[in-house]
Amino acid sequence: KAGVTQTPRYLIKTRGQQVTLSCSPISGHRSVSWYQQTPGQGLQFLFEYFSETQRNKGNFPGRFSGRQFSNSRSEMNVSTLELGDSALYLCASSLEQTWDEQYFGPGTRLTVT
Amino acid sequence: GENVEQHPSTLSVQEGDSAVIKCTYSDSASNYFPWYKQELGKRPQLIIDIRSNVGEKKDQRIAVTLNKTAKHFSLHITETQPEDSAVYFCAALNNNAGNMLTFGGGTRLMVKP
Repeated sequence: KAGVTQTPRYLIKTRGQQVTLSCSPISGHRSVSWYQQTPGQGLQFLFEYFSETQRNKGNFPGRFSGRQFSNSRSEMNVSTLELGDSALYLCASSLEQTWDEQYFGPGTRLTVT
Repeated sequence: GENVEQHPSTLSVQEGDSAVIKCTYSDSASNYFPWYKQELGKRPQLIIDIRSNVGEKKDQRIAVTLNKTAKHFSLHITETQPEDSAVYFCAALNNNAGNMLTFGGGTRLMVKP
């Protein structure tokens, strides 16, 4: 089985711009979670999607949003980028629930200048 | 919400020695506790997990113990090898309160040959 893939792998954006990141889960996995990883804050949960519905949301501002498509692929969007949004964004997929084994993608490294 | 603290933040051991990483959690209803290993520049990978109905789980050189009363759980690695060098993250989840994994801050383990 192919693993979780994320595109793009690296991204440089300017403050105020917006960005869309993509995640393709393992075939058959229906739950997709997104995390932000930074040296200072560690791994923080952004949101989780299941069957095209946001099932859970972490403590992030409304500038962070996401969606899931019928094939379980997911996108996350960050609008009005701030310098503090620079981070590694990881997605993880699991069969149905986040307490099923989660498989992480390689991440998208976002740098905001 | 849940809060997970992880100690130590860095750990240096000699090859062949044991390593222990400890985590405490705040939500007494949390019932799923995974551990992830993240090598430099790579994605996190699940190495072992434990659910609240068991006190200990072992997989070859890796074991996890859970003390629900004290609300802490620990990762034990025996006979450490240089390839065990990585950052280890603990996490906790209450599956009756959503699918949100809360991570500890991570432990950088260095195994010296």
